[in-house]
Amino acid sequence: DAGVIQSPRHEVTEMGQEVTLRCKPISGHNSLFWYRQTMMRGLELLIYFNNNVPIDDSGMPEDRFSAKMPNASFSTLKIQPSEPRDSAVYFCASRVEGGKETQYFGPGTRLLVL
Amino acid sequence: SQQGEEDPQALSIQEGENATMNCSYKTSINNLQWYRQNSGRGLVHLILIRSNEREKHSGRLRVTLDTSKKSSSLLITASRAADTASYFCATMASGTYKYIFGTGTRLKVLA
Repeated sequence: DAGVIQSPRHEVTEMGQEVTLRCKPISGHNSLFWYRQTMMRGLELLIYFNNNVPIDDSGMPEDRFSAKMPNASFSTLKIQPSEPRDSAVYFCASRVEGGKETQYFGPGTRLLVL
Repeated sequence: SQQGEEDPQALSIQEGENATMNCSYKTSINNLQWYRQNSGRGLVHLILIRSNEREKHSGRLRVTLDTSKKSSSLLITASRAADTASYFCATMASGTYKYIFGTGTRLKVLA
């Protein structure tokens, strides 16, 4: 299995631009999580999907952030407009809900907003 | 504040020595997991221990859980330079689906 796939791996953009991060979960996993990691705040859960439905988006910092999961094999996290404080590493993780609780993480997208 | 807090924040040891990291949490949990993160990489799952378990082993890893003290420890025996990484505990609070990650311990193993 290829594991969780994220793209792009690195993104540099200017303040005000739209940023779209992509994730392909492991086939057969029905839960997907987006996390953000910074030195100051550590690893924070942004949003959780189960069977493609957003269950909890309480961690999404602002209305500038939105996430979708149009099907079981694809999810996006969008920031519009981006700000320098959004600079972080964004991770996607997936797992089988109701099975083993282990989450499998993607390699992350390192975002730098100038 | 975060559910899990690791201690120490950083640890530097010689190859061959044992490394012990601790995690404290605040609420009742279903289970606790330990993850490793190499620099610039994603998190890799190491071991899961359930709330009704007290100790688990996996290769050179030994995890203990004390639910009365709301704490866990990760022991890496006979450390290797390749064990250099950050280690995080993640707790799933009872009645929830979310994992809350701790602040991490940065381990450096010197060859």
